Amino acid sequence: DAKTTQPNSMESNEEEPVHLPCNHSTISGTDYIHWYRQLPSQGPEYVIHGLTSNVNNRMASLAIAEDRKSSTLILHRATLRDAAVYYCILREGSSNTGKLIFGQGTTLQVKP
Amino acid sequence: EAGVAQSPRYKIIEKRQSVAFWCNPISGHATLYWYQQILGQGPKLLIQFQNNGVVDDSQLPKDRFSAERLKGVDSTLKIQPAKLEDSAVYLCASSLGPPGQYFGPGTRLTVT
Repeated sequence: DAKTTQPNSMESNEEEPVHLPCNHSTISGTDYIHWYRQLPSQGPEYVIHGLTSNVNNRMASLAIAEDRKSSTLILHRATLRDAAVYYCILREGSSNTGKLIFGQGTTLQVKP
Repeated sequence: EAGVAQSPRYKIIEKRQSVAFWCNPISGHATLYWYQQILGQGPKLLIQFQNNGVVDDSQLPKDRFSAERLKGVDSTLKIQPAKLEDSAVYLCASSLGPPGQYFGPGTRLTVT
């Protein structure tokens, strides 16, 4: 299973943009890049996913490097409610049966 | 749309006792997952059902853990007998199709 590398923790100030990096140098051509986040005392929550092109949704943006060996989750204006653990996950293909293999993620702290 | 429901939310048992967790997925979701999340780690997939058939149970400790999905809807996860290292949050998730899985709030198990 392909592996991702994320910083253990990051800090941000409220209302500023946050860029959460993820390295996945062993990504294969059929792996999708998924991001989930887990707020305190809750289950993980899907954030965004992509294959090659940058993606935007109401929660965040995903910037994918041209060689696909790294990606960045962008929160455009961090709020206190964005404080969570963010997981970058490689998932094989777009099939629903592809496993989600969670690493330790990045703990994001947002300061007022 | 109602989310994934889990019960109980908390459970404390002594080692060697048995325990069962219940999950009700989002209506219509054919795929159901059970994850174990030990404190400080990301969730680890224990078992995946497609309707009422098992797709992947490679990480399920089958000597003590069992799971079933009745009529392709609700699911129960059982541990018998429990060990101290089973202390964790047990998360249920469901999915209709790509890309996301929807997680419940989890059951926090403490084994003393």
